[in-house]
Amino acid sequence: LAKTTQPISMDSYEGQEVNITCSHNNIATNDYITWYQQFPSQGPRFIIQGYKTKVTNEVASLFIPADRKSSTLSLPRVSLSDTAVYYCLVAGSGAGSYQLTFGKGTKLSVIP
Amino acid sequence: NAGVTQTPKFQVLKTGQSMTLQCAQDMNHNSMYWYRQDPGMGLRLIYYSASEGTTDKGEVPNGYNVSRLNKREFSLRLESAAPSQTSVYFCASRYPLGNEQFFGPGTRLTVL
Repeated sequence: LAKTTQPISMDSYEGQEVNITCSHNNIATNDYITWYQQFPSQGPRFIIQGYKTKVTNEVASLFIPADRKSSTLSLPRVSLSDTAVYYCLVAGSGAGSYQLTFGKGTKLSVIP
Repeated sequence: NAGVTQTPKFQVLKTGQSMTLQCAQDMNHNSMYWYRQDPGMGLRLIYYSASEGTTDKGEVPNGYNVSRLNKREFSLRLESAAPSQTSVYFCASRYPLGNEQFFGPGTRLTVL
């Protein structure tokens, strides 16, 4: 399982765009990059997943450079409710890839 | 749909006692997982089940047993609880494609 490195914490003001970068130097060819969000006292919630270039959904965007050794989760115009821990995970997504490794994540604090 | 449900929500045990944590999902997913999360830490995989009738160890299986009762239900048993097993336990099921897992609300377990 590929190891990931991401900042322990980040602060942002309301209304700003937040970018959280994750390093995954030993990502394998078949690995996908997945991001989860976790609020206190709740289980993690899937945000977005991608393999290369850019993926966008109604919540976030995920940017992946050509070498795939890093990725950036972008949250547009954050609000106080985006205060949470964000996890970057790297794993295969085929039928045989069952394990996800959650590191300590990035604790995002949104300031009024 | 209820998604993933877990019982109980809270439990206090004495050292040496046994108990079973229950998990059920109504999304017809094949794969199910048990994680534990200690304060300030990410999630660690205890056991997982790729399909009905199969189970495999994760990162921290010692002190636990699991049963995949049917496609819906996946239980976690502590045979002789220890204070080191004080944690929040999350059950999850996985969408068939990709790495999107759906988490239950968690069970907060304290072992005295």
